[in-house]
Amino acid sequence: AQSVTQLDSQVPVFEEAPVELRCNYSSSVSVYLFWYVQYPNQGLQLLLKYLSGSTLVKGINGFEAEFNKSQTSFHLRKPSVHISDTAEYFCAVSRGAAGNKLTFGGGTRVLVKP
Amino acid sequence: DVKVTQSSRYLVKRTGEKVFLECVQDMDHENMFWYRQDPGLGLRLIYFSYDVKMKEKGDIPEGYSVSREKKERFSLILESASTNQTSMYLCASSSPRLAGYEQYFGPGTRLTVT
Repeated sequence: AQSVTQLDSQVPVFEEAPVELRCNYSSSVSVYLFWYVQYPNQGLQLLLKYLSGSTLVKGINGFEAEFNKSQTSFHLRKPSVHISDTAEYFCAVSRGAAGNKLTFGGGTRVLVKP
Repeated sequence: DVKVTQSSRYLVKRTGEKVFLECVQDMDHENMFWYRQDPGLGLRLIYFSYDVKMKEKGDIPEGYSVSREKKERFSLILESASTNQTSMYLCASSSPRLAGYEQYFGPGTRLTVT
């Protein structure tokens, strides 16, 4: 069975500072990896995804993530955050052969302070 | 613009009531999902459907049932609502035709059972 661990439940950060959100997963098969963002009172929106190829993936709104197979990690980064990045972020992994289902981490709440 | 809509943003029901949550997608997706979202637990899969009239249990199906009579519509049913079903419910859709089976989410229904 797969599992996804987001190591920080909350991350406070000042505006224009960098941020890193950590995600580790366990899986015995090849996976696809995703980061989703949930703004207040909204559904989830895809930030970026890793399917294959380059381990550095660029997404929307200046976010990027790096896939590290040996460490089974998929950490999300942004070099300079804005107030509008205040949201909850979810890491997710596809379930291998049952590729149409996702397993989600517990979420990381990012609060950007002025 | 792709769209997943849910019938209600907020719902208040009494213990023991039968509750219907409706989800509609306009992307001709084969797969549809129901999740519940609770603080610190991320999203947990309740049921999913990979075709009309087809359904499969997710990780937490107890107390729920689903119906998919048309491709675009997926309903979640709480036969007898209980207070521990107070939660945010999110619907999503995807297709095997999409790279990585990316899921598209609705805005969510916040259900309170009193």
